[in-house]
Amino acid sequence: AQSVTQLGSHVSVSEGALVLLRCNYSSSVPPYLFWYVQYPNQGLQLLLKYTSAATLVKGINGFEAEFKKSETSFHLTKPSAHMSDAAEYFCAVNPFGGTSYGKLTFGQGTILTVHP
Amino acid sequence: EAGVAQSPRYKIIEKRQSVAFWCNPISGHATLYWYQQILGQGPKLLIQFQNNGVVDDSQLPKDRFSAERLKGVDSTLKIQPAKLEDSAVYLCASSWPEGERVNTGELFFGEGSRLTVL
Repeated sequence: AQSVTQLGSHVSVSEGALVLLRCNYSSSVPPYLFWYVQYPNQGLQLLLKYTSAATLVKGINGFEAEFKKSETSFHLTKPSAHMSDAAEYFCAVNPFGGTSYGKLTFGQGTILTVHP
Repeated sequence: EAGVAQSPRYKIIEKRQSVAFWCNPISGHATLYWYQQILGQGPKLLIQFQNNGVVDDSQLPKDRFSAERLKGVDSTLKIQPAKLEDSAVYLCASSWPEGERVNTGELFFGEGSRLTVL
């Protein structure tokens, strides 16, 4: 069975500082991996995805993530935080290799707070 | 392009009552999903439709939950009777048909329907 663990339910950074949100997964087959962002009272929006091509994936709003098979990790980073990045971030895994994109297993989420 | 529409946004009911949520996906999206998001947790897939057929409902509590997508477009999720533990946000998402080149793997989510069961 596949699972996703997000380390840290809350992360707080200063504006301009590095953002690092951690995600580890377990999957019995090579997975597809996703990061979604959820702003208050809104639905989830795709930030980026890994689908077995380049291991370093660039997404929207300056975010990127690196797939590390040896560490079973897919951490999300952004070099310089902006106030507008404050939101909840979800890592998700699809173990079906793209045959069923929607059957995602989500982590519990990490709330990012950005201080001025 | 219009997004995924859901209603109502908020609903408060007492336990053992019934409730229904409606979802209209993005035009042309054949695949529709209902997810349940309990406070402090990530979304959990309840049911997946492809057009008007059910692809996966293995995690749907069928003793109280039901969902339909009769004409392959909009969908309704019903809970009857509701329990306290059903308090959650119910998210509808849609995507292009799986297996088609236009599908990039992205799900498009609505704003959700927040249910409070007292």
